[in-house]
Amino acid sequence: DQQVKQNSPSLSVQEGRISILNCDYTNSMFDYFLWYKKYPAEGPTFLISISSIKDKNEDGRFTVFLNKSAKHLSLHIVPSQPGDSAVYFCAASAKTGTASKLTFGTGTRLQVTL
Amino acid sequence: DGGITQSPKYLFRKEGQNVTLSCEQNLNHDAMYWYRQDPGQGLRLIYYSQIVNDFQKGDIAEGYSVSREKKESFPLTVTSAQKNPTAFYLCASTPRRTGTTNEKLFFGSGTQLSVL
Repeated sequence: DQQVKQNSPSLSVQEGRISILNCDYTNSMFDYFLWYKKYPAEGPTFLISISSIKDKNEDGRFTVFLNKSAKHLSLHIVPSQPGDSAVYFCAASAKTGTASKLTFGTGTRLQVTL
Repeated sequence: DGGITQSPKYLFRKEGQNVTLSCEQNLNHDAMYWYRQDPGQGLRLIYYSQIVNDFQKGDIAEGYSVSREKKESFPLTVTSAQKNPTAFYLCASTPRRTGTTNEKLFFGSGTQLSVL
């Protein structure tokens, strides 16, 4: 049962335009969400996060929006750059009282074209 | 530089063989994790450890074993019982043992395991 879903396996965006990556979740216990960026044959790197008490978090060109009622979050990249071409994973965490256990989506491959 | 080191980068396993993937961190993090990535799938948790000499099964622990004898080391053994071991394996760590809403995982660069 996929609790975190990224329904778009790939996305192509022109350089300078906005990239919007989407993520849906089903578990209402999730209260913290993260986006990771991954290049081939490398480990994911943390990009940006948002807790459920907020609906928006911004860091430079990256903004994450959270719609709790729809159980949906999105990552906006503006403007998109060729170096942004990578696989982006959405991840979610529920309060467990122990070590964080992130549930990851299947990833969206972003290609930024010239 | 502080970080998480995984070795080897590429590993080949013969039929019926056990292989061990190394993960070392010098970040002084308490918790360590092993994830598996398959093409077109998200990262799935194999095992995690919050403290030395303690570890818990993740979502797909069957066919794997781990140990945590030292804080900085969390090796993963892929046993012959794991029938589909070909995947990209990622080790990660977090600073604290207890779950909060602001933790994030720091990942190593991964090991690609293939079956001969």
